[in-house]
Amino acid sequence: QKEVEQDPGPLSVPEGAIVSLNCTYSNSAFQYFMWYRQYSRKGPELLMYTYSSGNKEDGRFTAQVDKSSKYISLFIRDSQPSDSATYLCAMSRLMDTGRRALTFGSGTRLQVQP
Amino acid sequence: EAQVTQNPRYLITVTGKKLTVTCSQNMNHEYMSWYRQDPGLGLRQIYYSMNVEVTDKGDVPEGYKVSRKEKRNFPLILESPSPNQTSLYFCASTFYRGSDTGELFFGEGSRLTVL
Repeated sequence: QKEVEQDPGPLSVPEGAIVSLNCTYSNSAFQYFMWYRQYSRKGPELLMYTYSSGNKEDGRFTAQVDKSSKYISLFIRDSQPSDSATYLCAMSRLMDTGRRALTFGSGTRLQVQP
Repeated sequence: EAQVTQNPRYLITVTGKKLTVTCSQNMNHEYMSWYRQDPGLGLRQIYYSMNVEVTDKGDVPEGYKVSRKEKRNFPLILESPSPNQTSLYFCASTFYRGSDTGELFFGEGSRLTVL
């Protein structure tokens, strides 16, 4: 079983829709939670970064973390065609070696139709 | 412009022919890392470096080498490439804060095909 599970999609929505992207994880040692956005033929770029359970909002984007359920979400309001991309969740934890390891989900491909 | 630059962006090679993928960053970041991205598997870390002359294995280091002689450069070396190393490779960097990974800045990727 993977440490981080993410539905690969594709997810197709009409412009203006509210989008919900989710990841579940199995390791309670994860402490920091991130969402990266990756456009086609580009490298991932950080969208949201959270530490604690609860919500964090940035413009049209809201990141939600529920540590008790080991579940994180990214909500996109008023989705735009420019939001079409692959969204990767990522989580970090401290290893026994002292290395802080970052584990990525496999990504959900989102298509926003005009 | 702050960026991570990888070369080549696309490469087709044959089994056993040594190759190097270069990575350079202009943000004075201490931490640099290599990832490979495969369908259904996400991004997996190959090697990382916390500073000059300090490198360590990530989750999938077999078949790869790295070096960190200068702060800005972190080349990935495939001494004897095999078809299972066909993948999309990303170099990333960040300031090393110890307490968390912080924001990783990624290059645009290098698509490698090994025949």
